[in-house]
Amino acid sequence: QVQLVQSGAEVKKPGASVKVSCKASGYTFNDYFMHWVRQAPGQGLEWMGWINPNSGDTNSAQKFQGRVTMTRDTSISTAYMELSRLRSDDTAVYFCLSGSYNYWGQGTLVTVSS
Amino acid sequence: DVVMTQSPLSLPVTLGQPASISCRSSQSLVHSDGNTYLNWFHQRPGQSPRRLIYKVSNRDSGVPDRFSGSGSGTDFTLKISRVEAGDVGVYYCMEATHWPPAFGQGTRLEIK
Repeated sequence: QVQLVQSGAEVKKPGASVKVSCKASGYTFNDYFMHWVRQAPGQGLEWMGWINPNSGDTNSAQKFQGRVTMTRDTSISTAYMELSRLRSDDTAVYFCLSGSYNYWGQGTLVTVSS
Repeated sequence: DVVMTQSPLSLPVTLGQPASISCRSSQSLVHSDGNTYLNWFHQRPGQSPRRLIYKVSNRDSGVPDRFSGSGSGTDFTLKISRVEAGDVGVYYCMEATHWPPAFGQGTRLEIK
């Protein structure tokens, strides 16, 4: 079955960077874009961007442009999302999702605190 | 950017009774390819969202037929014909016609 397994929780200081991984299995990694969405505590869902595993092309929401970097390693079917210059309001659960938005990772909690 | 507005934001429902959630978009969700990319998700506490409905009215595999989606253009509805205990959580509509995709604020369904 399809699985997206994300890396574990992170605690970072303001101004630092965080890199979250998402390992896919159960389907051909290159067949679907990998998207990233985040959810602040008690809040709704916010789109961040996507990466095309085939080409490496990316597209991110304007809010995150210049701070988010999405990459992939096709040899291990893994996508990465790196967010830089972290602020306290970046504290959230970060999800990867694929397919036609129907495969989700379990989420990675990123806490930004001094 | 498209704004998705859900109502109500809180929905107390008696077990076995129907429930309905509205989702309105600030722009038409009809894509140039003729499809309408409107999805519905359900998120239980502490879990990842699960897609229930795609392209307005198509149920995902394993989704009970108690769930149905309808609508067109800018107005969409998710209906649950008979609410069960496992239906509690937050329901989100999401449009993927435009960039960036946009979620509604979420509707929290609870059992009365």
